[in-house]
Amino acid sequence: GDSVTQMEGPVTLSEEAFLTINCTYTATGYPSLFWYVQYPGEGLQLLLKATKADDKGSNKGFEATYRKETTSFHLEKGSVQVSDSAVYFCALSRSGAGSYQLTFGKGTKLSVIP
Amino acid sequence: SAVISQKPSRDICQRGTSLTIQCQVDSQVTMMFWYRQQPGQSLTLIATANQGSEATYESGFVIDKFPISRPNLTFSTLTVSNMSPEDSSIYLCSVEGQTTDTQYFGPGTRLTVL
Repeated sequence: GDSVTQMEGPVTLSEEAFLTINCTYTATGYPSLFWYVQYPGEGLQLLLKATKADDKGSNKGFEATYRKETTSFHLEKGSVQVSDSAVYFCALSRSGAGSYQLTFGKGTKLSVIP
Repeated sequence: SAVISQKPSRDICQRGTSLTIQCQVDSQVTMMFWYRQQPGQSLTLIATANQGSEATYESGFVIDKFPISRPNLTFSTLTVSNMSPEDSSIYLCSVEGQTTDTQYFGPGTRLTVL
C-alpha cells in the first residue's frame, strides 16, 4: 500500500538557519504530494502541494520539489523564524474508492529558537 | 479554501459515555472526512462521509463505535461511543477542495477520556 516516510524529529534550529525536512513516498501511479503544518493547539493547514513530477510547490518561503526518480518531496526553507515552530506532515493523495485518499507521514516537530 | 469549524473544540469525558462532534463548512462540499490523531502520532482516516449515503469506514473502525451522519452538503457529525481512555485523541474533519486531490482541515476536537 501507499506510505510516506519522514525524517525523525524533533528538529531544533536557530533563527535564520536553513531547514530541510526529508520526505520519501511509496505509491503506485502518480500521487499528488503535500506538506501540511500543525501549529501548537491547532488543526492542520495546507502549506504547499505539487501534482506532477518536477513541480515545485512554494508558500511562505517554504518550497518542495516533486522528484519522481527519487520518490521524494523534501521541504526546505532558507531562513526559519521562531513562528515556524510547528509539526510538519508530508502526505500523498491518490484516487481510490471514489475519492482521493490522503496518506500521512508521522510528522516532524520543528522548534526554532531565537 | 473552505472555512471549517468544529464543536466542541475540546472536552473531557467519563469512560462509557458518548460524545458527538460537529463539523460545519461554509460552502457545499461533496466529500467530508473524519480523522483521528492520537497523542504524538500522525493522522489516521476513520471514514469518508458522502452526503446521502452511508459513510465508508477504514479498516479498524466500525460504525457502532464511530457513527457518522451527513445530513446535507455543509454539515457532518462523528460520535465516539462508549468511550475508553484509548479514545483520547484529536478528532479532525476535512473536506475536499475545489481540486479533489486536496483536503482542508478543521481546527480539531481535543478529547480526553478519564
